[in-house]
Amino acid sequence: AQSVSQHNHHVILSEAASLELGCNYSYGGTVNLFWYVQYPGQHLQLLLKYFSGDPLVKGIKGFEAEFIKSKFSFNLRKPSVQWSDTAEYFCAVNAYMDSNYQLIWGAGTKLIIKP
Amino acid sequence: NAGVTQTPKFRVLKTGQSMTLLCAQDMNHEYMYWYRQDPGMGLRLIHYSVGEGTTAKGEVPDGYNVSRLKKQNFLLGLESAAPSQTSVYFCASSPDQTETQYFGPGTRLLVL
Repeated sequence: AQSVSQHNHHVILSEAASLELGCNYSYGGTVNLFWYVQYPGQHLQLLLKYFSGDPLVKGIKGFEAEFIKSKFSFNLRKPSVQWSDTAEYFCAVNAYMDSNYQLIWGAGTKLIIKP
Repeated sequence: NAGVTQTPKFRVLKTGQSMTLLCAQDMNHEYMYWYRQDPGMGLRLIHYSVGEGTTAKGEVPDGYNVSRLKKQNFLLGLESAAPSQTSVYFCASSPDQTETQYFGPGTRLLVL
């Protein structure tokens, strides 16, 4: 079965630290890639997505992600985090399998930013 | 433009009781989804719909039923609730299978 792996379940950083959250997937075909964020008490919302073109994708609130096809990775980065970035982050991969698109979710990474 | 709404926000059930969760979207999206979110497990797809009158099973469909009688509404039913169905349920919609999914605020369900 195809899977999406987010290596860190919990990350704690201080404000202004740099952030990188890992995401690896197991599917070898064409994929669309997403990062969603869930702020405390809120619903999931799109942070950024990659369909094609420039593998470095910029999203909202200063986040970016790089698609590295050879490594099956789509890591999320932010140069300097803020307290308001405290949230849970989910990587998701949309893969075409069995004549259908399937969105496969990672287990999520809880990010806590210390003020 | 409310996006995706869910009712109720919170519910407590006793084992064996039934209930229906309602999801509504006003974006004219064809695709709608029901997920459950459990700690450390991310989101798991329960059922989804590719259009009015159609439904399909997701990853964890057992114990749930769905209906999509109107394009804007997607109902999730629990016929006989079990404690294992204690979870947070999210509804989402999208214009097609490959595009961004838009999520509702969630329903927190506790089954005693």
